[in-house]
Amino acid sequence: EPEVTQTPSHQVTQMGQEVILRCVPISNHLYFYWYRQILGQKVEFLVSFYNNEISEKSEIFDDQFSVERPDGSNFTLKIRSTKLEDSAMYFCASKQGIGLYGYTFGSGTRLTVV
Amino acid sequence: AQSVTQPDIHITVSEGASLELRCNYSYGATPYLFWYVQSPGQGLQLLLKYFSGDTLVQGIKGFEAEFKRSQSSFNLRKPSVHWSDAAEYFCAVGGITGGGNKLTFGTGTQLKVEL
Repeated sequence: EPEVTQTPSHQVTQMGQEVILRCVPISNHLYFYWYRQILGQKVEFLVSFYNNEISEKSEIFDDQFSVERPDGSNFTLKIRSTKLEDSAMYFCASKQGIGLYGYTFGSGTRLTVV
Repeated sequence: AQSVTQPDIHITVSEGASLELRCNYSYGATPYLFWYVQSPGQGLQLLLKYFSGDTLVQGIKGFEAEFKRSQSSFNLRKPSVHWSDAAEYFCAVGGITGGGNKLTFGTGTQLKVEL
């Protein structure tokens, strides 16, 4: 079964550093998402991306966050200057077309900011 | 705005007992409903989903859920719980209106299974 792949599985970074989380969505999917889960809390939507632009973003997704699809296969989330409160599990997801069929999550990247 | 309420933060059941996890949603149009399970430190595993049709949906690991539009509920059930079912369970709602088709998750129910 096709998978959404996220790398690395765990990343430790120093406060104030830039970090890039990487995702390889399923190959024929056109809609891409990032979600965040702070330890012990619920999964929260960050941003959705379609046709090389953001289609929706949450209030969490402020100017320190950005997303990019740099080539035909990767989808990245960049955090410009990490804060302690950015420590969380970040999930990438993708789907093929209109509707929610095939909405697939990756296994997540655990980001620890020290 | 869409939202999900999972009223039970923790549930403890004995192995072999039946289980029902509650989920209530708020969504202005036809909802797409999901149940995910998450083991500690792990990712989200899809148990089942409801998009349309038969309101009783079957999922993996012997789980089922029933969509009740009149009650805005999508409760998850299992007739006989196994110790390996201990995990956190999240209900989520989404839809095709709006630009992004985001999913909104509930706060989760932590299931403990007593042997």
